[in-house]
Amino acid sequence: SQQGEEDPQALSIQEGENATMNCSYKTSINNLQWYRQNSGRGLVHLILIRSNEREKHSGRLRVTLDTSKKSSSLLITASRAADTASYFCATDPSSGSARQLTFGSGTQLTVLP
Amino acid sequence: DGGITQSPKYLFRKEGQNVTLSCEQNLNHDAMYWYRQDPGQGLRLIYYSQIVNDFQKGDIAEGYSVSREKKESFPLTVTSAQKNPTAFYLCASSIDRGTGELFFGEGSRLTVL
Repeated sequence: SQQGEEDPQALSIQEGENATMNCSYKTSINNLQWYRQNSGRGLVHLILIRSNEREKHSGRLRVTLDTSKKSSSLLITASRAADTASYFCATDPSSGSARQLTFGSGTQLTVLP
Repeated sequence: DGGITQSPKYLFRKEGQNVTLSCEQNLNHDAMYWYRQDPGQGLRLIYYSQIVNDFQKGDIAEGYSVSREKKESFPLTVTSAQKNPTAFYLCASSIDRGTGELFFGEGSRLTVL
């Protein structure tokens, strides 16, 4: 079952603009992670935010987490054509006998030069 | 370089044939995973292994089998019982039981003719 759901499904912006993607989930979590996937390639880990954190930065990435709303957002500032990829959120549930990451269906980001 | 190697990158199978996808890691990670990705969708967990000689079914294990005889290797067999095997298969590993960062291979694309 897919707990995380990204919004929007697709996003197209001009180079230099900011890109914001959202992730909603259903159950309590220990952490939430964002991954990037270039077309036809494997996923690459971008950032992990724990349930007791509200915001985290890594280079041009800013992630926020609102556990009361069960949602997270990923902001990419000053986007570049090379940021074109699919972005997935993955949640680590805090309960259940088999705690494994659950991935959403992703946001396809296209950055136009 | 440390990482995860999947092979082959592309594989074609006739209906009724079993095929085995290779996954090798030199990261000294305990946990390894197999995911399936269909076009425009997120990742679904097939099998995972947290330690040598032990593995657990994920959400969509039917028609698949795995083994974990060595820490470095976690091959996936797609059997003839898998009714819709055409997909992109991703192997991943993590330091421990998988609530932290996952490291992914480059994927294997299986097409049934």
